[in-house]
Amino acid sequence: GEDVEQSLFLSVREGDSSVINCTYTDSSSTYLYWYKQEPGAGLQLLTYIFSNMDMKQDQRLTVLLNKKDKHLSLRIADTQTGDSAIYFCAVASGTYKYIFGTGTRLKVLA
Amino acid sequence: GAVVSQHPSWVICKSGTSVKIECRSLDFQATTMFWYRQFPKQSLMLMATSNEGSKATYEQGVEKDKFLINHASLTLSTLTVTSAHPEDSSFYICSAQRGPGAAGELFFGEGSRLTVL
Repeated sequence: GEDVEQSLFLSVREGDSSVINCTYTDSSSTYLYWYKQEPGAGLQLLTYIFSNMDMKQDQRLTVLLNKKDKHLSLRIADTQTGDSAIYFCAVASGTYKYIFGTGTRLKVLA
Repeated sequence: GAVVSQHPSWVICKSGTSVKIECRSLDFQATTMFWYRQFPKQSLMLMATSNEGSKATYEQGVEKDKFLINHASLTLSTLTVTSAHPEDSSFYICSAQRGPGAAGELFFGEGSRLTVL
């Protein structure tokens, strides 16, 4: 079946950039999403990208998509302590079904 | 942004009782809602897809008689955990889809933490 993988942990210093990576297997994925989950809370949509794009920038967030390698990344510029959370990538194809990655726990050190 | 509300935020119940969790889309109509289960430090596991006015579609391995889903209106879906047992303790999250197909955005509820004693 479809699979979405992420590294489990990332630690960065405040003010540095964070890059969270995601790989997926379903080549028919048309929409790719990044969600943020703070402790004990639901998921918050951060940004998304269509499969016919290779980059999308939204303030401090930059999403890069390498469709050939099925690789998605989220770059957070000037990372702040408030960015500490779990980040999930998710992919969706023509159906309603979303497949979530395992989540990357970002820890920002002051 | 759109708001999806879940209630209750957390619930503690005795083994053998049933618990109902509500998921409401507050400012949009959602023909499709999803229910997820999240174990500690793990990703979300899709349990079922709920379409208004029809039976829910359950993922493989999810017992439909155990996890009853009702999508009575375009703004409300409920998940009832029947005869709950300690192994059902988990964080349950719903999401509501605004817009059709994969282009539709998913908005998530705050989650409901269930603890079964």
